[in-house]
Amino acid sequence: AQKITQTQPGMFVQEKEAVTLDCTYDTSDPSYGLFWYKQPSSGEMIFLIYQGSYDQQNATEGRYSLNFQKARKSANLVISASQLGDSAMYFCAMREGAGGATNKLIFGTGTLLAVQP
Amino acid sequence: DGGITQSPKYLFRKEGQNVTLSCEQNLNHDAMYWYRQDPGQGLRLIYYSQIVNDFQKGDIAEGYSVSREKKESFPLTVTSAQKNPTAFYLCASSIWQGKGNQPQHFGDGTRLSIL
Repeated sequence: AQKITQTQPGMFVQEKEAVTLDCTYDTSDPSYGLFWYKQPSSGEMIFLIYQGSYDQQNATEGRYSLNFQKARKSANLVISASQLGDSAMYFCAMREGAGGATNKLIFGTGTLLAVQP
Repeated sequence: DGGITQSPKYLFRKEGQNVTLSCEQNLNHDAMYWYRQDPGQGLRLIYYSQIVNDFQKGDIAEGYSVSREKKESFPLTVTSAQKNPTAFYLCASSIWQGKGNQPQHFGDGTRLSIL
């Protein structure tokens, strides 16, 4: 069965430093997609970044980048130059199914990031 | 602005009551989803719909019902059969087919509590 594991329940980082949030996944499908979402205390889920299983390069979106290690089945989110507004819950999710025919997502349990001034 | 609107933001239910959570989107997305989030946990899929007049059960559909009569709307009813309904409910929408990189877009959620 497909599964997403986030082993860090909570993390602290100093403002302006970089932080890595871990995500490992398990799937037997050769085609899959990995998503990261941010959930502030207000509750909405904000899409951050996407990595496809066949993408040759690691995804980047502004201060967010994805350290994608396919052989190790990990897709860690790296936030550079942390800001106070980055304090939130972060969820890793995997698109279920092969070939882009379905868009159902499986979510991990999340990591709570606290940025300290 | 295009987006997803969930209402109400807070909802209270008495024992034995059914309540309906509203979700409306103007993104012209085919697919819509309902998730439940409990404290300290990730999102779990309740129901999803790929197209009007069709919907599928997710992982935790028991005690819930949905309808999809219009493309823009996907209301969720929490029935009295759901014994532990207190949770945060999130609605999402997305393009269903095509490139798999299409993210789901979420509403602001509804917090449901039992009186």
